[in-house]
Amino acid sequence: DTAVSQTPKYLVTQMGNDKSIKCEQNLGHDTMYWYKQDSKKFLKIMFSYNNKELIINETVPNRFSPKSPDKAHLNLHINSLELGDSAVYFCASSQDSGGNTIYFGEGSWLTVV
Amino acid sequence: AQSVSQHNHHVILSEAASLELGCNYSYGGTVNLFWYVQYPGQHLQLLLKYFSGDPLVKGIKGFEAEFIKSKFSFNLRKPSVQWSDTAEYFCAVNEAGGYQKVTFGTGTKLQVIP
Repeated sequence: DTAVSQTPKYLVTQMGNDKSIKCEQNLGHDTMYWYKQDSKKFLKIMFSYNNKELIINETVPNRFSPKSPDKAHLNLHINSLELGDSAVYFCASSQDSGGNTIYFGEGSWLTVV
Repeated sequence: AQSVSQHNHHVILSEAASLELGCNYSYGGTVNLFWYVQYPGQHLQLLLKYFSGDPLVKGIKGFEAEFIKSKFSFNLRKPSVQWSDTAEYFCAVNEAGGYQKVTFGTGTKLQVIP
C-alpha cells in the first residue's frame, strides 16, 4: 500500500478553472504538507497541518485553499487557475513537525493551458 | 529563518567515480539535516538524516554525509557512483524542536555516465 497517495497524478486544465488535488496518508502521522516543485525543481512548502490545524501557511495566493477533514487527509483546492500554477504538487506527511522524516507522495503534475 | 545552499547545480560523473555534493545552511541554532533523492519521474525519498550524535551519518545505497557544525555544512558523499544514482539530490534543514518547517535546497542534478 502506498503510504502517501495523491490523486490525480496528471491534470491538464484551462486557465480560470477550479481544480482539487486529494491526498491521503496511511502512516498514522500527525502532520501533513503541501509542497510545490517548479520547472527548475525548486521545492517550496506551501502549507502544513498538524492534527487538522493549519500551522504553516507560506506566502501563497488566496486562490489556494487546503482542507483537512481529518488528520489522514489534506486536500488542496485551487481557484481560478493561472499559467504560473503549472508545477508538480507534492503531498507529504511526518510523525510530527519537529524534524521527523517527511514521506512524500508521488506528486501531481498540474499543467495549466 | 533558515536557508539552504547547494552550490553544485549539475554534476556529471563516470561510473565508479567518487561523489561529493555540497550543502551549506544558515541558521545559528540547533538543526536537523536531511538529504533526499528524487529519481527521474518519482517522488522524493529520504537518503539519510542527522539529528544528533555522530556527525558522520550513513544512509541507504552507500551514501554518507558529514555534519561540520563550524562550517554549517552537511556534504553528501559516495565513494563509487553507479548509473542508477542518476537523480536529483536535495539537502534540507529544519530547526530542531517545535513546529518548524523543513527548508529544501535548490537541488543538485547528478548524471552518471556508464
